[in-house]
Amino acid sequence: DADVTQTPRNRITKTGKRIMLECSQTKGHDRMYWYRQDPGLGLRLIYYSFDVKDINKGEISDGYSVSRQAQAKFSLSLESAIPNQTALYFCATSDPTRTHEQFFGPGTRLTVL
Amino acid sequence: KNEVEQSPQNLTAQEGEFITINCSYSVGISALHWLQQHPGGGIVSLFMLSSGKKKHGRLIATINIQEKHSSLHITASHPRDSAVYICAVRQGGSNYKLTFGKGTLLTVNP
Repeated sequence: DADVTQTPRNRITKTGKRIMLECSQTKGHDRMYWYRQDPGLGLRLIYYSFDVKDINKGEISDGYSVSRQAQAKFSLSLESAIPNQTALYFCATSDPTRTHEQFFGPGTRLTVL
Repeated sequence: KNEVEQSPQNLTAQEGEFITINCSYSVGISALHWLQQHPGGGIVSLFMLSSGKKKHGRLIATINIQEKHSSLHITASHPRDSAVYICAVRQGGSNYKLTFGKGTLLTVNP
């Protein structure tokens, strides 16, 4: 069973629609992250959360919001999707008490028409 | 200039060849990660290292902190090694922020 899961895996939506990407983990990690990946660019951090009450903006948070519903769940929302948000989105977790290694979900491919 | 540069961007090899992928960075780091991304998107952590060398099966990762350089080697390459290999650095003083390279696309032909 996957330790970090993302839903949906693929989504096509239209400009202006609200969309939520969900991430769940069974690793028991406090830290969770949302990244986006675009062709020709490295992964970029959108938001990160060190625990349920600690949420922080990353380098490209404009146009996105997040919710940490529980230790195991971290959702990313696009309030009004636009075409340049078309990308591959990854959720990740890490445990700072051990190695700081990040464990990635399978990714969500989002297309905004 | 990107803080993390990988070379080459693309690499094609024949099965059995020895592969080297390079990563150079310009900031002080506390650790460097090598990740593998297969077609279909999933990302898997291969190595995390802050000094010296690590080996796992046919994969070897080295880092030279003074030269701000790391290499990922694959011995006896196989078509199943075809993937994007990503270098990421955790900056000194940060215990969470990773800065990623753009990746190296490796294709191993049978």
